[in-house]
Amino acid sequence: QKEVEQNSGPLSVPEGAIASLNCTYSDRGSQSFFWYRQYSGKSPELIMSIYSNGDKEDGRFTAQLNKASQYVSLLIRDSQPSDSATYLCAVLGSASKIIFGSGTRLSIRP
Amino acid sequence: ETGVTQTPRHLVMGMTNKKSLKCEQHLGHNAMYWYKQSAKKPLELMFVYSLEERVENNSVPSRFSPECPNSSHLFLHLHTLQPEDSALYLCASSLAGGVTGELFFGEGSRLTVL
Repeated sequence: QKEVEQNSGPLSVPEGAIASLNCTYSDRGSQSFFWYRQYSGKSPELIMSIYSNGDKEDGRFTAQLNKASQYVSLLIRDSQPSDSATYLCAVLGSASKIIFGSGTRLSIRP
Repeated sequence: ETGVTQTPRHLVMGMTNKKSLKCEQHLGHNAMYWYKQSAKKPLELMFVYSLEERVENNSVPSRFSPECPNSSHLFLHLHTLQPEDSALYLCASSLAGGVTGELFFGEGSRLTVL
């Protein structure tokens, strides 16, 4: 089992719709969770951090964390073509190691 | 210059060459990292320096040798690499002295080993 698992996609979402990206993790002791966005040919950029169960909203982005079920998700409302990128889930595990998922490629179609 | 700067952006080397990658951060951060990114694989943590001391060496082959002369500069010295070492090498920095997931990445150095 991978430590941080994401569907590789591509996930195709129409412009203006909600994009939902999911991530599961195996280390129950993990406390910190992050979403990075990586455009093609560019480096990852941190867009959301979440540390406690529930939802955290920042503009069009909402991160959701459920520690009991060991999943974290990212919702993008009113999706724009500029949101087309690979989204990386990262987890800071109990051994103080940052583990990244392989990423989900998101494509917003006009 | 702002953020995290990496040089060179592209590097082609033979298996017997010796080269170095350089990273410089202008964010006042205390920790610096080297990651390897290969196609279709997760980011792989290679090395972590916190307050100029190496705190993580993630079972990386000795043909990769890091150096952190101060909190703003990080190098990755490369020698006798293999073709499978071809990848994007990303430098990152973070504010905290300990390990944190809030990383700021440079644009990366694309390495090709012939």
